[in-house]
Amino acid sequence: AQSVTQPDIHITVSEGASLELRCNYSYGATPYLFWYVQSPGQGLQLLLKYFSGDTLVQGIKGFEAEFKRSQSSFNLRKPSVHWSDAAEYFCAVGAGGYGQNFVFGPGTRLSVLP
Amino acid sequence: GAVVSQHPSWVICKSGTSVKIECRSLDFQATTMFWYRQFPKQSLMLMATSNEGSKATYEQGVEKDKFLINHASLTLSTLTVTSAHPEDSSFYICSAISGRAYNEQFFGPGTRLTVL
Repeated sequence: AQSVTQPDIHITVSEGASLELRCNYSYGATPYLFWYVQSPGQGLQLLLKYFSGDTLVQGIKGFEAEFKRSQSSFNLRKPSVHWSDAAEYFCAVGAGGYGQNFVFGPGTRLSVLP
Repeated sequence: GAVVSQHPSWVICKSGTSVKIECRSLDFQATTMFWYRQFPKQSLMLMATSNEGSKATYEQGVEKDKFLINHASLTLSTLTVTSAHPEDSSFYICSAISGRAYNEQFFGPGTRLTVL
């Protein structure tokens, strides 16, 4: 079965600084990869996704992620963080269509200093 | 497109009572729906998978008699927490898959359940 790790439980950055959130997965083939953001008490919002093709994926709110097959990684980046980006970020992996073997990572909590 | 709603958004109930949560796909027919549970400061854990017209498939450790799932139509799935107890208090999130976008789940906004 596939698994997802997000090595950083909590990250704090200053507003305006760059951000990288790490995500590593374990799966034999190329998975479907997702990044979601969740504000306190709210549902999930999809930031971006990767299915195939260009390994650098652009998402909403200025986020991007890069799929690196050799490193089994799908790290999320943003060049300049805004205070409103403070939230919980989840990486997720799907190993087949129709939601098969869909797994969430443990999440990374992002705090933003003014 | 691909909007999923949940009702209610929050509910408080007394211990021992049952609570029903609805999950609707508003602008598409959902071949499959999923129910997740999220405890505070934790990730989402899949509880069960339901396909319209058939019995739900529960994940290991999830009591099917306690968490009743009904997927009576292609746009509606319900989760009923029976004889709720305080330890059932959690954030419940549903998701749905469209036949046209089979590799992506569309998530509802979640339902906060508090059992007193």
